[in-house]
Amino acid sequence: EAAVTQSPRSKVAVTGGKVTLSCHQTNNHDYMYWYRQDTGHGLRLIHYSYVADSTEKGDIPDGYKASRPSQENFSLILELASLSQTAVYFCASSAGNERLFFGHGTKLSVL
Amino acid sequence: GDQVEQSPSALSLHEGTGSALRCNFTTTMRAVQWFRKNSRGSLINLFYLASGTKENGRLKSAFDSKERYSTLHIRDAQLEDSGTYFCAAFLPGTGSNRLTFGKGTKFSLIP
Repeated sequence: EAAVTQSPRSKVAVTGGKVTLSCHQTNNHDYMYWYRQDTGHGLRLIHYSYVADSTEKGDIPDGYKASRPSQENFSLILELASLSQTAVYFCASSAGNERLFFGHGTKLSVL
Repeated sequence: GDQVEQSPSALSLHEGTGSALRCNFTTTMRAVQWFRKNSRGSLINLFYLASGTKENGRLKSAFDSKERYSTLHIRDAQLEDSGTYFCAAFLPGTGSNRLTFGKGTKFSLIP
């Protein structure tokens, strides 16, 4: 099974603060993704990347930035965290035209 | 509207019985992936299908791209099957492997 590791597993942040979620994969996959999941909703794509040093906007990118400094690492950055960004965040990786492998998720609570 | 319509939203079964979850798509999808989110919040890969059917233990999934649906059958339901099940579809022609998720089916075992 492919290995995608997220950190932290959970975080409490204050409104207006900066939050960085990290993701590391050891599968040599080109593609990496950040999704968020809210109760009653499926996962929704925030940002993704298909090569190091390049990121693309997903379906709900507002309020988020992403960084792909290397093939293995993909970060999600909330410059000014807001209450509406309380959610569970999932990172995933994939090779071309193959299934996605997800991390265990990061539970973010913004107070 | 939603591109992936998942039903039912909730399902309760007696131990040893079975049922099916279904996802209908508003357009032709090139592949589908099924997940279970367990009590710890982790997303577990269940199936990836580009066509046909796959079976793994008490779970069986089918995907018909032309008819625009996928199903997940659970038989002989057990406590470890509890969780929220998600289907996710790969849109055609998207080289990034972006997934569009259904809203999930919350499954619980009736004691």
